[in-house]
Amino acid sequence: DSGVTQTPKHLITATGQRVTLRCSPRSGDLSVYWYQQSLDQGLQFLIHYYNGEERAKGNILERFSAQQFPDLHSELNLSSLELGDSALYFCASSALGQGVSGANVLTFGAGSRLTVL
Amino acid sequence: AQKITQTQPGMFVQEKEAVTLDCTYDTSDPSYGLFWYKQPSSGEMIFLIYQGSYDQQNATEGRYSLNFQKARKSANLVISASQLGDSAMYFCAMRDPPRAGGTSYGKLTFGQGTILTVHP
Repeated sequence: DSGVTQTPKHLITATGQRVTLRCSPRSGDLSVYWYQQSLDQGLQFLIHYYNGEERAKGNILERFSAQQFPDLHSELNLSSLELGDSALYFCASSALGQGVSGANVLTFGAGSRLTVL
Repeated sequence: AQKITQTQPGMFVQEKEAVTLDCTYDTSDPSYGLFWYKQPSSGEMIFLIYQGSYDQQNATEGRYSLNFQKARKSANLVISASQLGDSAMYFCAMRDPPRAGGTSYGKLTFGQGTILTVHP
């Protein structure tokens, strides 16, 4: 167990629907990073939050949004789902989120596998 | 923009032998960090080893070592005494460099990955 908790583990839904993926970071970690892993795109960075504030945005679609709450858990909202959104969505946490210069290892959760039919 | 390249889609190794997984990177920043992660078939991402650009010695963690050649911009992962449980996808990653204002937010950019298969 990495200490990063992601729910749900598996999710099957239909095109056009909306889902929410939840992530609880490791105790003490202030940063949450979201990644999408698909066969054709590999591991793509979506968004990073540090202590409740958005720090960096990657290839995140406008249909997707995220937030980090005061208790540091994060949610990734995916709406108007398309077949191409089917992927494994990872959340990772780390202690730091700015001024990073050392190892600052990202610890990943087990992922949420989304299937859009 | 920085880039990570893993040119070996798949590698095969005999149990108990050593194997090297290649990773090259491209960055103009003098301060950077390189990471290797393992993803078994179960799907989770497991951190293996880290190398900082200013580290004088190659990183080692148990059976994992990183062959860091700064001039060639390569950070190859060496797994010694391969075990059947080493069969997995392996990703090389680089931490984003500091932005204007001198701070890095720690995001990682990943390579395409190499699937390692260990034969008995």
